[in-house]
Amino acid sequence: KNEVEQSPQNLTAQEGEFITINCSYSVGISALHWLQQHPGGGIVSLFMLSSGKKKHGRLIATINIQEKHSSLHITASHPRDSAVYICAVVFGNEKLTFGTGTRLTIIP
Amino acid sequence: GAGVSQSPSNKVTEKGKDVELRCDPISGHTALYWYRQSLGQGLEFLIYFQGNSAPDKSGLPSDRFSAERTGGSVSTLTIQRTQQEDSAVYLCASSLTSAGYYGYTFGSGTRLTVV
Repeated sequence: KNEVEQSPQNLTAQEGEFITINCSYSVGISALHWLQQHPGGGIVSLFMLSSGKKKHGRLIATINIQEKHSSLHITASHPRDSAVYICAVVFGNEKLTFGTGTRLTIIP
Repeated sequence: GAGVSQSPSNKVTEKGKDVELRCDPISGHTALYWYRQSLGQGLEFLIYFQGNSAPDKSGLPSDRFSAERTGGSVSTLTIQRTQQEDSAVYLCASSLTSAGYYGYTFGSGTRLTVV
């Protein structure tokens, strides 16, 4: 079965802390996406990874294809980073399979 | 348009009625997806259109659900004889290519409430 697991499910941290969210998947993939969903429900695509590492501002995403694992890091976290972060992978069938999400809360 | 447009944004319907949800993807995006998110739950795949290929309907929960995409652009998701368990936010997304190599753009969703 094609599965995606995220950890932690919930994460609360103080402003300024370094944040790491993890994603593991069960079989080989075409691509992995990190998505952000704010309390209003809108979903924004943050990164698409097929290998290596990508950086955008304070966000860094890495993927290890051999270990079937990806991490999303947030440096110098800020309350506006509070959201649900979702890992989604594309298995051979070309549709996204979603992790259950990580609810991040950054306290001022 | 600049983004993926969904309508209506909210829909309240009586149990047993049919509903139609509309998605207008970004012009030129060949791939279009429908997902739903029930309260407090994760995202669930429903159906995927890619170009002129036959759609992947493997996520549709029952034969009450159907979707079409006309002219490779606008898509309509139809739910017949709605049930209370159909209440959810229905999200549409489009991407330039399959597997979203250039990212996905999500609509704001349609919040469906079946009473």
